[in-house]
Order: sequence, then C-alpha cells, then structure tokens
Amino acid sequence: QSVLTQPPSASGTPGQRVTISCSGSNSNIASNYVYWYQQLPGTAPKVLIYRNSQRPSGVPDRFSGSKSGTSASLAISGLRSDDETDYYCASWDDSLGGLVFGGGTKLTVL
Amino acid sequence: QVRLVESGGGVVQPGGSLRLSCEGSGFTFSNYGMHWVRQAPGKGLEWVAFIWYDGRKIYYADSVKGRFTISRDNSKNMLYLQMNSLRPEDTAFFYCAKISDYGDYPAHDWGQGTLVTVSS
Repeated sequence: QSVLTQPPSASGTPGQRVTISCSGSNSNIASNYVYWYQQLPGTAPKVLIYRNSQRPSGVPDRFSGSKSGTSASLAISGLRSDDETDYYCASWDDSLGGLVFGGGTKLTVL
Repeated sequence: QVRLVESGGGVVQPGGSLRLSCEGSGFTFSNYGMHWVRQAPGKGLEWVAFIWYDGRKIYYADSVKGRFTISRDNSKNMLYLQMNSLRPEDTAFFYCAKISDYGDYPAHDWGQGTLVTVSS
C-alpha cells in the first residue's frame, strides 16, 4: 500500500489530453514539493516534473504538473504512442521522515 | 553531464550480505544528498535510504532499518549501501539517485540500477 495514491491505469487516444492524479496528505504533498517520473520499460526512472510544475530541459511542454492542497496532477496533452509507459509521483513525508512514492500509473495509448 | 553508476549487485542467499556502490561524476558529489531507491521486478518504486550531502543526517525506510546502512565517501565520489540479513523480498533493482540543484529531498537524477537477487 503506497503512501501516495495514484490510479493504477489511465488511457487516451493519440492527440488527446490525459491527467494522472496523485493523492497524499498534509505531511507530504501539502507541505513539500511533488516530483513526477516517467519510467520506460527496462530503464531507470527519469524526472518529468520537479517542484510541482517545473520541467527539466528536454522535457516537452506537452507535460505539465500542478498541485493543490494534498493532491497533485500530471497532465499530458497531444498524447503520443511513445507516452505509453509508467508514471510515478513522489514527495518527501515529514512525519515518516522519508521519500514516498505513488504506486505508479500505467498509461495506455489506444 | 550527471552520471551515476551503480555496481555490486548479484545473487545472494537469504541471510547473506551485499554492498552496493554508486559512483557519481559530472557534478560536485559532496554538495548533494543521495538516495537509494529499489524496484522489485514488475513492481513500483520503493524508497530505501537517504543521506545528507555531508553524511550528518541519514534516513531509512522501516522495511530496511537495522539491516541496511547507507554511507558515502565524498573524497571518492562514492555512495554505498551495506545490506545485511537479506531476505527474498529484498530482491529488486537498486538505483542510486541525487537530489536536485535546489536541494529538494526528492530524487532528481538516477543511475541505471543494479539487480540484487536473494535466493537459495
């Protein structure tokens, strides 16, 4: 059972906009930054969004992040077939004294 | 550019020990906190441990507390994870990761991982 809650799956058609939610609590998301990672099959996770909504250089602006209270969201617009992979949210938890992850969302492009 | 290279993974029997290493390059290693994060085959990401840039503060996940020890040698740009009393459920890819330039706790840059298999 992950501390942060993500839907296990999400789907969309090419060109569509999809959002992936990440629900936490006052001790993590509400009081700390949220990061999002993309993990392609057989590879290490790669940061997609840092500090709730910032994109590292090289990440397309089709990817965007937002946070409100104890929840955060990752939005992907102009969905492409190569977006089909796993996505994870993460935040520091002040009560647990550790980094907490969501269980991951498998995105399918129909 | 940032490069993190893990090593030391392998097959070990239950109850055994293993030490993982992670060499950092392309950045000033001594300025950054570092994580170990693991991922069991086909499962999600699980945070293992974090060490401050200077080693003064260390945090562990409850699942490894008392069995695993994170450490670093800034003179060698190296991060370590000593794993004792290994269990089959510790089987996973282990990634080292550095925090961002802003100093936020979450992992920002990741190594390619090393596989630890605990099996008799």
